[in-house]
Amino acid sequence: QLVLTQSPSASASLGASVKLTCTLSSGHSTSTITWHQQRPEKGPRYLMRVNSDGSHNQGDGIPDRFSGSSSGAERYLTISSLQSDDEADYYCQAWATDIRVFGGGTKLTVL
Amino acid sequence: QVVESGGGLVQPGRSLRLSCTTSGFMFGGYAMNWVRQAPGKGLEWVAFIRHKAYGGTAEYAASVKGRFTLSRDDSKSIVFLQMNSLKTEDTALYYCVRESGGGLDYWGQGTLVTVSS
Repeated sequence: QLVLTQSPSASASLGASVKLTCTLSSGHSTSTITWHQQRPEKGPRYLMRVNSDGSHNQGDGIPDRFSGSSSGAERYLTISSLQSDDEADYYCQAWATDIRVFGGGTKLTVL
Repeated sequence: QVVESGGGLVQPGRSLRLSCTTSGFMFGGYAMNWVRQAPGKGLEWVAFIRHKAYGGTAEYAASVKGRFTLSRDDSKSIVFLQMNSLKTEDTALYYCVRESGGGLDYWGQGTLVTVSS
């Protein structure tokens, strides 16, 4: 069964970097995922696709401050030079033949 | 662009049909998804429909299977979500989302469905 696990919360200081983690369930460690950002009171926005080899493809208009990487069953979203409007919920998403799945989301607080 | 419509207030047990109108991309070449978000909760995948080259068939989350039906009209670049036997737990903001090879990559702004007596 495909399950994505994310920490419920994370925090980092303005101008610093933060690395968010999405863990794929057993048997799905080579899956590609996507990351999405949802600012308060806004709809989600696609950020990027992250492959098992660590390569990533950013969505249109997504700044280079956002990057993706991988290690085993973990997929990461790193945000550098944190800005106040990076404060948001971040969701990972993956898929199998007949299902799409979201992680529970990580609420990022910028201190 | 991806624009949802058709949301509203409906009583439990009744039906509602959501529409998703798209423009600006080759609609027929993409699968389309519906994702919902209950108040204060995370994102929940609801259903997706494959593009015609892959049979145009749909898949559903267990929570809606048998009650929701997804269809598409490629001539009009529209996706429909027919929701029957609605329950209070179906109350959510419903998003239509384009998919590229399994990954969701373009979101609409959402339409609110409230199921209440």
